[in-house]
Amino acid sequence: AQSVTQPDIHITVSEGASLELRCNYSYGATPYLFWYVQSPGQGLQLLLKYFSGDTLVQGIKGFEAEFKRSQSSFNLRKPSVHWSDAAEYFCAVGAPPNFNKFYFGSGTKLNVKP
Amino acid sequence: DGGITQSPKYLFRKEGQNVTLSCEQNLNHDAMYWYRQDPGQGLRLIYYSQIVNDFQKGDIAEGYSVSREKKESFPLTVTSAQKNPTAFYLCASSPPAGRHSGNTIYFGEGSWLTVV
Repeated sequence: AQSVTQPDIHITVSEGASLELRCNYSYGATPYLFWYVQSPGQGLQLLLKYFSGDTLVQGIKGFEAEFKRSQSSFNLRKPSVHWSDAAEYFCAVGAPPNFNKFYFGSGTKLNVKP
Repeated sequence: DGGITQSPKYLFRKEGQNVTLSCEQNLNHDAMYWYRQDPGQGLRLIYYSQIVNDFQKGDIAEGYSVSREKKESFPLTVTSAQKNPTAFYLCASSPPAGRHSGNTIYFGEGSWLTVV
């Protein structure tokens, strides 16, 4: 069965420090991969997505993610975190051939220290 | 502007009442979804619909019902059979597979339901 794992429930980083949020998936083929961000009491906003091609994808707000097939991972990175990045981040997988089925990780809550 | 509109943002329900959460999208997406999110937890799929007049149960459909009479609308009813309905509810939609934008899922702003 398909699954998405975000091993870190909470992460705290200092403002200006680099960030990496981990995501691993279990799927028999190459899925579609996504990262979303959620501020408290709000919906999920798409940060970036990977369908095919270049395994390093750029997103909004200075985020990027790298797809590593050998590790079944799609980690999210940002070189310098801003206080406004404090939020919860969700990794998700879209699973062909049922293109309308999505699986979400349990989320990583990011705190940013001044 | 195109998007997904959920209403109301906050809703209070008395024990034994049914309540309906509205979800409307003007993105011309075929598929629509309802997710439930509890504090500190991820998203759990309640129902989804890939086309009008058709929908499927997700992982936690018990105590909920939906309808899909129009492409742009996918209301969720939380029935009195749902024993613990207090949660944040998210509606979402996605375009058909094969389009150039892929099958990305987009979300509304969510609705808070509290049982009083």
